[in-house]
Amino acid sequence: DVKVTQSSRYLVKRTGEKVFLECVQDMDHENMFWYRQDPGLGLRLIYFSYDVKMKEKGDIPEGYSVSREKKERFSLILESASTNQTSMYLCASSLLAGNTIYFGEGSWLTVV
Amino acid sequence: KQEVTQIPAALSVPEGENLVLNCSFTDSAIYNLQWFRQDPGKGLTSLLLIQSSQREQTSGRLNASLDKSSGRSTLYIAASQPGDSATYLCAVSDYQLIWGAGTKLIIKP
Repeated sequence: DVKVTQSSRYLVKRTGEKVFLECVQDMDHENMFWYRQDPGLGLRLIYFSYDVKMKEKGDIPEGYSVSREKKERFSLILESASTNQTSMYLCASSLLAGNTIYFGEGSWLTVV
Repeated sequence: KQEVTQIPAALSVPEGENLVLNCSFTDSAIYNLQWFRQDPGKGLTSLLLIQSSQREQTSGRLNASLDKSSGRSTLYIAASQPGDSATYLCAVSDYQLIWGAGTKLIIKP
């Protein structure tokens, strides 16, 4: 069965902290994505990766970076968390572009 | 620039009714269209994927259609149940996925 696992469901961090959100998929997918979802703004793409060590900026990359050292793992990094980064973060993967996309359960991040 | 619209934003119907959710897009040059459901506080679950060359896809009580020429897709849910209550999102794929804002569906027992 398809599985995208986000290691942390709920996090509370302080302003200025460095935050790591981890995502692992077990389907040998090429593509991985990080989205954030906010009420009234819908899903917005932060970064995506189509191969190991490759990354592409999405619509809202400012304040974020990513790392993909292994095919199955895609990490989202908030270098210095700010309150406007309080949100739900969703990781997703797909085998190739245009294939079905599978999501993790989401990580709720609160920055205080 | 591709835009995806889902109307209505919310819909409430009695249990047992058949219903249709709508998704429209502005550029017909798409690879495929996907429908998802999202339960409160959870991630998205893929329901159906329709390739650009297809007209419809079915899974159980769900049927999704695609009309590229008119820029429309519909998700038909037969014999609705309270467990179908969720937000339903559509997304079209060209180079990237472009998302609609979703329709929040409530099925009243």
